[in-house]
Amino acid sequence: DAGVTQSPTHLIKTRGQHVTLRCSPISGHKSVSWYQQVLGQGPQFIFQYYEKEERGRGNFPDRFSARQFPNYSSELNVNALLLGDSALYLCASSLAPGPNTGELFFGEGSRLTVL
Amino acid sequence: AQSVTQLGSHVSVSEGALVLLRCNYSSSVPPYLFWYVQYPNQGLQLLLKYTTGATLVKGINGFEAEFKKSETSFHLTKPSAHMSDAAEYFCAVSGAAGNKLTFGGGTRVLVKP
Repeated sequence: DAGVTQSPTHLIKTRGQHVTLRCSPISGHKSVSWYQQVLGQGPQFIFQYYEKEERGRGNFPDRFSARQFPNYSSELNVNALLLGDSALYLCASSLAPGPNTGELFFGEGSRLTVL
Repeated sequence: AQSVTQLGSHVSVSEGALVLLRCNYSSSVPPYLFWYVQYPNQGLQLLLKYTTGATLVKGINGFEAEFKKSETSFHLTKPSAHMSDAAEYFCAVSGAAGNKLTFGGGTRVLVKP
């Protein structure tokens, strides 16, 4: 079975541009979370979606937005890119929110470089 | 609010030696605790988790961790390191709702032959 898939795997943007990152969860998983991992640091929570509804939001500016589609795939959008947005963006899926609902499976990430 | 502190950003061990990675947490609610491993250019893989019940948790690849509430710790151990254990390890905490994981800064493990 396919794991969590993310696209693109690598991309380079310039300051001020917009980026869209995509995530397909494991089949049957209805919850998708997004994390930002800056080089040398642990991942930081950005968003969680479940059944197309936002269930959690981390401490990120409004330039960051996300949505979940009827097929449970998800997009993360970042507007007006800053140099500090350069990071590995990780998507994770699970059956449902909560630590007792099974393992959180991570994709390999989308590495964004902002020049 | 929750936070995680991992002591030591880098740990070097000899093959066959004990691996000990330290994690202390802060949580205003009963914590759920996790250890993840990240190999180069890959996502995170769950090693083990503590939710409720037995405080000694066994995970994959011979790792285990013990939840000590009095010490607010969840240290990860493996009796005998293998070259394949070279990776970065992250401790994380969540509340009961589990809507988000709060990660520590990570510990990179180097295994010497």
